[in-house]
Amino acid sequence: GAVVSQHPSRVICKSGTSVKIECRSLDFQATTMFWYRQFPKQSLMLMATSNEGSKATYEQGVEKDKFLINHASLTLSTLTVTSAHPEDSSFYICSARDAARLGAGETQYFGPGTRLLVL
Amino acid sequence: AQSVTQLGSHVSVSEGALVLLRCNYSSSVPPYLFWYVQYPNQGLQLLLKYTSAATLVKGINGFEAEFKKSETSFHLTKPSAHMSDAAEYFCAVSPKTSYNTDKLIFGTGTRLQVFP
Repeated sequence: GAVVSQHPSRVICKSGTSVKIECRSLDFQATTMFWYRQFPKQSLMLMATSNEGSKATYEQGVEKDKFLINHASLTLSTLTVTSAHPEDSSFYICSARDAARLGAGETQYFGPGTRLLVL
Repeated sequence: AQSVTQLGSHVSVSEGALVLLRCNYSSSVPPYLFWYVQYPNQGLQLLLKYTSAATLVKGINGFEAEFKKSETSFHLTKPSAHMSDAAEYFCAVSPKTSYNTDKLIFGTGTRLQVFP
């Protein structure tokens, strides 16, 4: 149980185009999902917290107009990198919390990640 | 602000040897603590977590970690390393705030290499 999928797993795009990444909780409902960015050989940096039915909360320094997040259902959140540039190339990972288990310190379940390469 | 420090970006051990990965947190109130493992080009998998119950936490794959408040530490250990343990390990903290907005703050990671 507690499986999170991401699609696509890898994407290559031209500079200036937009890319959408999907994050799905397959066997549980997630009112809260998180989006992280990971540069090579570095740690995960939280970009934003995605809440179902409301606006995402972005971390300081993350451009909300560039990284559009939509959490339209209890099992799907999307991250759209708008007008992508080479510096946006990175590994993007999402995680989700089980809506049925909202106790403090509950586990986040991570997706397998999406590698974005902008040429 | 909460933070977590992982000492040693690389740790190398022989197969069968003890694994010790260090993690120290910075917080006035003991936070929730997690260890995750990441295999190449994959997401993170939870190894174990501390949520203020028993201080010695047992996880998957034979790993365990001990919460020591006096040392603000949560080191990860495994008595006998296996080749399949080679991966990147991340320690993370989650402040004790309202449960609907818990964030994870990750350490910089430790790459474990296991030699035959």
